Amino acid sequence: QVQLVESGGGVVQPGGSLRLSCAASGFTFNMYGLHWVRQAPGKGLKWVAFIRYDGSDKFYADSVKGRFTISRDNSKNTLYLQMNSLRAEDTAVYYCAKQKKTYTGVHPFDYWGQGSLVTVSS
Amino acid sequence: DIQMTQSPSTLSASVGDRVTITCRASQSISDWLAWYQQKPGKAPNLLIYKASSLESGVPSRFSGSGSGTEFTLTISSLQPDDFATYYCQQYNSYSTFGPGTKVDIK
Repeated sequence: QVQLVESGGGVVQPGGSLRLSCAASGFTFNMYGLHWVRQAPGKGLKWVAFIRYDGSDKFYADSVKGRFTISRDNSKNTLYLQMNSLRAEDTAVYYCAKQKKTYTGVHPFDYWGQGSLVTVSS
Repeated sequence: DIQMTQSPSTLSASVGDRVTITCRASQSISDWLAWYQQKPGKAPNLLIYKASSLESGVPSRFSGSGSGTEFTLTISSLQPDDFATYYCQQYNSYSTFGPGTKVDIK
């Protein structure tokens, strides 16, 4: 069965950095594009970033461009989100999500992790 | 960037009611639209993709329609398990979610 397990969340001061990981199992990891989506407390879903199945292309929401970096290690079946210059408004639960279809393009998300809470506060 | 809106933001309904939620895109997205259900403290669950295709395992009381800029999610007969928040998502250009529609008990 498909599993996505996030880790690395926690409390960080404004301006600080954090790296989230998403360990995947139950599917052929290197065939699927992957996303990060966040949800601030009591708020809606916000797409954060996408990485192609082979890591060759990466796309970001304007709100995180230049501060966050998405990456993957296909040998370790793991997705990452490096978050730098964190702000209070980055406080959210961060979900990793797998696309429904293989290889190219952007597709809906058929599996999600349980989420990892990032709190940016002094 | 493509913006998504949903209406209503909150919907009060009773078990057995027919429920319709509307989602609009700021520009045409063809039929590259999905719907998700989310319950408190849980990750979202894919219900509908490509505007009208039912995800495997999702009850047939859920249906989707529309194309271009206007879409609807319909629940034909609301069940107790359906009280939740529903989000639309465009994936024509990267991804954008709508603000959500909370379906609560009347």
